[in-house]
Amino acid sequence: GQQLNQSPQSMFIQEGEDVSMNCTSSSIFNTWLWYKQDPGEGPVLLIALYKAGELTSNGRLTAQFGITRKDSFLNISASIPSDVGIYFCAGRVQGAQKLVFGQGTRLTINP
Amino acid sequence: NAGVTQTPKFRVLKTGQSMTLLCAQDMNHEYMYWYRQDPGMGLRLIHYSVGEGTTAKGEVPDGYNVSRLKKQNFLLGLESAAPSQTSVYFCASSSGTGGTVPYEQYFGPGTRLTVT
Repeated sequence: GQQLNQSPQSMFIQEGEDVSMNCTSSSIFNTWLWYKQDPGEGPVLLIALYKAGELTSNGRLTAQFGITRKDSFLNISASIPSDVGIYFCAGRVQGAQKLVFGQGTRLTINP
Repeated sequence: NAGVTQTPKFRVLKTGQSMTLLCAQDMNHEYMYWYRQDPGMGLRLIHYSVGEGTTAKGEVPDGYNVSRLKKQNFLLGLESAAPSQTSVYFCASSSGTGGTVPYEQYFGPGTRLTVT
């Protein structure tokens, strides 16, 4: 089945730094989604992407749907302590009724 | 509008016991999903449903059963719990092909299950 490779697995940064993470797939995806999970909570949808090349922002977060349709990127600018958590990418291939999730990127911020 | 709710929040079972986890959504979504999350494993799909009365197997269905008798509810059953089923279980829903954003999944808060 489809697999998503999400990197990096973890990040340790200073408050105020910018963050970049990405997901790559061996399959072509029609949809890319980015979620954030706080400790003890369920994942929350941050950004949804539906077209190759699409660039979408949500506050300090910006995500892009790769031109090849096999990857996606999430950037966080000027990180703050509440950005701490696990970020998941998820993708959907044409015709599928379910998503494939990446393994997650754990973000830790030093104040 | 509560979104997706899960009952119970925590549960401890002994090996061999059975239990049912309840997921409810008030968004009139067609699709519902059950995932388990283990450390370092991300989210793995157990079973899903694309409409009332339908169910389908996901990535890790063994040891679980599901039912979708009502559109708003999706039940996950463990007939004979095993320690390997210790995990955090998440339910999610999406509007399905009849909606404008059919595949955006919205998650519940999770159920933390320990099997001893």
